Amino acid sequence: ETGVTQTPRHLVMGMTNKKSLKCEQHLGHNAMYWYKQSAKKPLELMFVYNFKEQTENNSVPSRFSPECPNSSHLFLHLHTLQPEDSALYLCASSLGTSDTGELFFGEGSRLTVL
Amino acid sequence: GESVGLHLPTLSVQEGDNSIINCAYSNSASDYFIWYKQESGKGPQFIIDIRSNMDKRQGQRVTVLLNKTVKHLSLQIAATQPGDSAVYFCAENGPSGTYKYIFGTGTRLKVLA
Repeated sequence: ETGVTQTPRHLVMGMTNKKSLKCEQHLGHNAMYWYKQSAKKPLELMFVYNFKEQTENNSVPSRFSPECPNSSHLFLHLHTLQPEDSALYLCASSLGTSDTGELFFGEGSRLTVL
Repeated sequence: GESVGLHLPTLSVQEGDNSIINCAYSNSASDYFIWYKQESGKGPQFIIDIRSNMDKRQGQRVTVLLNKTVKHLSLQIAATQPGDSAVYFCAENGPSGTYKYIFGTGTRLKVLA
């Protein structure tokens, strides 16, 4: 148990579907992140939220739409995805974004786009 | 651009032996480094970190060594156990100096019984 919970753990969707990934952290952190993990590639930072405000969009295609209603919850809305979007999507949290420190990761949501 | 690389993609170690996982980083401005462990089907788990004002830091059965002269980071695991089998990533904080960590691709550690 890392304190960061992601659902669903596995998701299969067609290219025309709309689905959402959910992340919840119970650590009292102020910053939350979405990362993409593809095979044989380093973790790619997608979005960063600090105190519910988006502070980073790492040139992510608009078919990925994040939402952060409060500091404990983070969503990633998916629509019109491509097969190359199949990957493990990891949520993470940290105390804040103004300094270095440990990122606490969830177990990830394994996404397969058909 | 900056990159974090690993010398060996797979490392096989006999149970009970010590493991050494290496990492090269290219950004001389990085002053904070982390090692993560990722078991199959799980998210990355923090192992140990080190700041650039230190050369060595020890945890429980793990030691991280930092050589700023050659931009090299290593993770040493003492008395490797089957539960240590996983992919290990190093990460640096890069030019931002903050949370925009640059991750390596990872080294898979296999522990042989």
